[in-house]
Amino acid sequence: SQTIHQWPATLVQPVGSPLSLECTVEGTSNPNLYWYRQAAGRGLQLLFYSVGIGQISSEVPQNLSASRPQDRQFILSSKKLLLSDSGFYLCAWSGVRGRGSNTEAFFGQGTRLTVV
Amino acid sequence: QKEVEQNSGPLSVPEGAIASLNCTYSDRGSQSFFWYRQYSGKSPELIMSIYSNGDKEDGRFTAQLNKASQYVSLLIRDSQPSDSATYLCAVNRAGKLIFGQGTELSVKP
Repeated sequence: SQTIHQWPATLVQPVGSPLSLECTVEGTSNPNLYWYRQAAGRGLQLLFYSVGIGQISSEVPQNLSASRPQDRQFILSSKKLLLSDSGFYLCAWSGVRGRGSNTEAFFGQGTRLTVV
Repeated sequence: QKEVEQNSGPLSVPEGAIASLNCTYSDRGSQSFFWYRQYSGKSPELIMSIYSNGDKEDGRFTAQLNKASQYVSLLIRDSQPSDSATYLCAVNRAGKLIFGQGTELSVKP
């Protein structure tokens, strides 16, 4: 069966410090991978998605970047965190259903990031 | 216009009643539609997926899709207090999974 691992669960970082969040998927190959951010009481904002190694699409101009160095590894990074980067970060994977359509997405446990 | 729209709620229903959650989307090319449940502080969990027009039932949950009206709904029968959560509608568009803002559901005992 497929599993998705995301760590750490919580993180407190000072303004201006770097960030690296990692997500790995097991039990599937060539998944679509996603990074979302959720502000308190809000919906999920799509930050990045990837359909393959080295293929990253950015949805929102921001202080973050993403990389996919391996098929089942997705990393979210920042060189210098801002207060506005605080939030609940979620990694997800989905399969490909064909004709640009996806199967359902499954989420990691999330990382609650607080920038102080 | 947002790509996926939901009423934010809160929607309050008594225990045992039917809860009806609605979602509209803007892109007619969307092909896959999903409902997720999210408890406070937790990650979303999948409830239903629907790909074709009509109804799809799974236990107490029924998803309804009308592509002509660009409308997706979720019915929860015999609502329980444990159903109290935020319900997120998601729509696939060209490989991207776009979420609505979510509807908060409160089921009162």
